[in-house]
Amino acid sequence: DTEVTQTPKHLVMGMTNKKSLKCEQHMGHRAMYWYKQKAKKPPELMFVYSYEKLSINESVPSRFSPECPNSSLLNLHLHALQPEDSALYLCASSHNRLLRDSPLHFGNGTRLTVT
Amino acid sequence: AQTVTQSQPEMSVQEAETVTLSCTYDTSESDYYLFWYKQPPSRQMILVIRQEAYKQQNATENRFSVNFQKAAKSFSLKISDSQLGDAAMYFCAYRVNAGGTSYGKLTFGQGTILTVHP
Repeated sequence: DTEVTQTPKHLVMGMTNKKSLKCEQHMGHRAMYWYKQKAKKPPELMFVYSYEKLSINESVPSRFSPECPNSSLLNLHLHALQPEDSALYLCASSHNRLLRDSPLHFGNGTRLTVT
Repeated sequence: AQTVTQSQPEMSVQEAETVTLSCTYDTSESDYYLFWYKQPPSRQMILVIRQEAYKQQNATENRFSVNFQKAAKSFSLKISDSQLGDAAMYFCAYRVNAGGTSYGKLTFGQGTILTVHP
């Protein structure tokens, strides 16, 4: 079982919908990440939160809006997405972004389809 | 900019045999970590093994071991006694331990799909 839980596992949404992806971890990690992954491609970093503050935004379009309400939760709010945004969205956490030996622990991802 | 290259898009191995997956990287940094992640059809990225650049001894985790050649910037993964459950996409990744916003960012290679034949 994964220690990083993502919901929902699958999501189909229209281009005018508003939806949210959720991620939760209870390992006491203080860094949380959103990645986007296209089929048979490596994950691409979108956002990094460190101690509940946004520390990295990889020039992601504003139709993706991250939120970190507390140290255990990470949300990704979606609005007015495009079909090319269809992908696997992976959440990850680590002890601390600045800690030398702090590997990422990933969730199972949310498979998003935009119609 | 750091880059990670996996030159083998696909590899196959017979069950119980040994297979080696290749990875090279390009960096001007001296302080970094290297990782191998496995992503089976279940989609979860699973950490297989990691290596700190300052350590000369190659990391080993049960049937998984690495051949870390720092001067050549090479980081290959050897899987011994391959099992059907090893079938997955394997990503090599690099993480710099240097300042600024790049600290802790993970750079992935393009991945290698490993098939295990019974």
